[in-house]
Amino acid sequence: AQSVAQPEDQVNVAEGNPLTVKCTYSVSGNPYLFWYVQYPNRGLQFLLKYITGDNLVKGSYGFEAEFNKSQTSFHLKKPSALVSDSALYFCAVKPGANNLFFGTGTRLTVIP
Amino acid sequence: GAVVSQHPSRVICKSGTSVKIECRSLDFQATTMFWYRQFPKQSLMLMATSNEGSKATYEQGVEKDKFLINHASLTLSTLTVTSAHPEDSSFYICSASPFVGETQYFGPGTRLLVL
Repeated sequence: AQSVAQPEDQVNVAEGNPLTVKCTYSVSGNPYLFWYVQYPNRGLQFLLKYITGDNLVKGSYGFEAEFNKSQTSFHLKKPSALVSDSALYFCAVKPGANNLFFGTGTRLTVIP
Repeated sequence: GAVVSQHPSRVICKSGTSVKIECRSLDFQATTMFWYRQFPKQSLMLMATSNEGSKATYEQGVEKDKFLINHASLTLSTLTVTSAHPEDSSFYICSASPFVGETQYFGPGTRLLVL
């Protein structure tokens, strides 16, 4: 069965500090991996995706994610957090031509 | 690029009425559109996948006669919640993909409240 885990419901980080939002997955084959961000009462905004190639993927707003095949992880990172980064972050995987499977989301709060 | 709009952004209706939500891809043609439902503090639940010109594929447990989906053109899909009840109150989000297997781009969502 396909599954995506975001082990932390909530991540708090001080402004200016590096942030990490964790994601691990269990799917068959080589999936496409995505990160989306959701602001209150809004839809999801695409941040970045990994399909193949370099394990470090750079995306929007200074975010990046590292694909680790042996650990089946795709953690989202940013070197220096901004208060405006506070939002709900979703990891998603797409096994082949199948639909997206979403994690349960991690609420990031950046403290001024 | 890759902008998806939804209308209305929020709607309040009486129990028993039907509500139509529109999803449009503004700057690309979407061969596939998806409809999701999101409950408070929960992840997105895929309801159905629609391809232009064909019937939608519904996920298990989603009533196709309750949630009517029409994908009449490459830029427009509609979700009609028929005979709405309070338990249908939720945040409905659509997404669109220009090609099969490509990135999904999400609309801003529609908040439905059924009284």
